[in-house]
Amino acid sequence: AQSVAQPEDQVNVAEGNPLTVKCTYSVSGNPYLFWYVQYPNRGLQFLLKYITGDNLVKGSYGFEAEFNKSQTSFHLKKPSALVSDSALYFCAVSPSDYKLSFGAGTTVTVRA
Amino acid sequence: EADIYQTPRYLVIGTGKKITLECSQTMGHDKMYWYQQDPGMELHLIHYSYGVNSTEKGDLSSESTVSRIRTEHFPLTLESARPSHTSQYLCASSGRGPNYGYTFGSGTRLTVV
Repeated sequence: AQSVAQPEDQVNVAEGNPLTVKCTYSVSGNPYLFWYVQYPNRGLQFLLKYITGDNLVKGSYGFEAEFNKSQTSFHLKKPSALVSDSALYFCAVSPSDYKLSFGAGTTVTVRA
Repeated sequence: EADIYQTPRYLVIGTGKKITLECSQTMGHDKMYWYQQDPGMELHLIHYSYGVNSTEKGDLSSESTVSRIRTEHFPLTLESARPSHTSQYLCASSGRGPNYGYTFGSGTRLTVV
């Protein structure tokens, strides 16, 4: 069975500073990894995914994530955070049976 | 531009009522999913479908039922709503192959009083 861990419930950063949201995973075989963002009272929006290829994946809104197979991690990063990045972020993993397993989510607060 | 639609967005109903939450997608996706999410919390898979006439229960036990008579439509029904059913319900769909990821609807926030 696959699983995802997001070790931080909350991340607080100042606007303009780098933002990192951590994610580790466990899955049999090659992982398909995803990041989603959720704004209040909305569904989830796709940010980026890793399937194969380059370990550094670039996504929407200036976000990127680095796949590290040896550490089984897929941390989300943004070089310079904006107040509008404040939201709930979910990491997810899928093996071959297509069902995504989501982490518990990390609330990001970017202060002006 | 939404490709997956959920109605209603908000619903307040009395205990014991029967309700159906609608979910439709226009992408021709084979796979569809229902998640339950308390505000700001993790998502729990309650039902999924890999195609017409295929439905399976998810990881979290739920008193709801689903049907998949048409590819584009995946409604969720509660026969007798209770306050414990108060939550947000998110519908999602995905294309062929696990690398497509999910597209989510905007959700239905259900309150049972």
